[in-house]
Amino acid sequence: GENVEQHPSTLSVQEGDSAVIKCTYSDSASNYFPWYKQELGKRPQLIIDIRSNVGEKKDQRIAVTLNKTAKHFSLHITETQPEDSAVYFCAAPGYSTLTFGKGTMLLVSP
Amino acid sequence: GAGVSQSPRYKVAKRGQDVALRCDPISGHVSLFWYQQALGQGPEFLTYFQNEAQLDKSGLPSDRFFAERPEGSVSTLKIQRTQQEDSAVYLCASSPRASGRRGETQYFGPGTRLLVL
Repeated sequence: GENVEQHPSTLSVQEGDSAVIKCTYSDSASNYFPWYKQELGKRPQLIIDIRSNVGEKKDQRIAVTLNKTAKHFSLHITETQPEDSAVYFCAAPGYSTLTFGKGTMLLVSP
Repeated sequence: GAGVSQSPRYKVAKRGQDVALRCDPISGHVSLFWYQQALGQGPEFLTYFQNEAQLDKSGLPSDRFFAERPEGSVSTLKIQRTQQEDSAVYLCASSPRASGRRGETQYFGPGTRLLVL
């Protein structure tokens, strides 16, 4: 099955800085890569996703890049704000569902 | 429209009790998933339904865990003879189309936080 590794496990930045979270996957057939944001005690919410026919996708301050050859994809958040503080999960499709990374706790300090 | 809902939001059970957790997916969604999320970890897959058919139950940790979706909408996850290691958040997610290698967006419910004493 799919194996997803996510780094770093924690990330602390100052407000206004950029944050980058990286994930690798094992199955070269995987072609859909979502990112979820989970605030404390809340449900995971999709923030951006990418399919393998593109290398980059942007949505305001958030972008995702995909390198299919190297089997890794990254989440980029620019001009971070305190409300970006949360746990972020990457995922890749397995046989019948998504396999999630272990998460990155992002802390944005004012 | 309404999102995925789950009930109860919190459940405290004594070790050995049976519990039932309910999931109401987004109306019309074909796929329904159950995940277990331990503290500080990502969601771990338990089982997958396509309409009323349980197509994958490979993630259920033991035969004490049972899930059903008899009419292809609401689903129930039942845990028999609960153990302390069952304490976790149980998340339900739904997706508008059948899942598979192509990968589909999943929409999560708020979860049920289960504490087994």
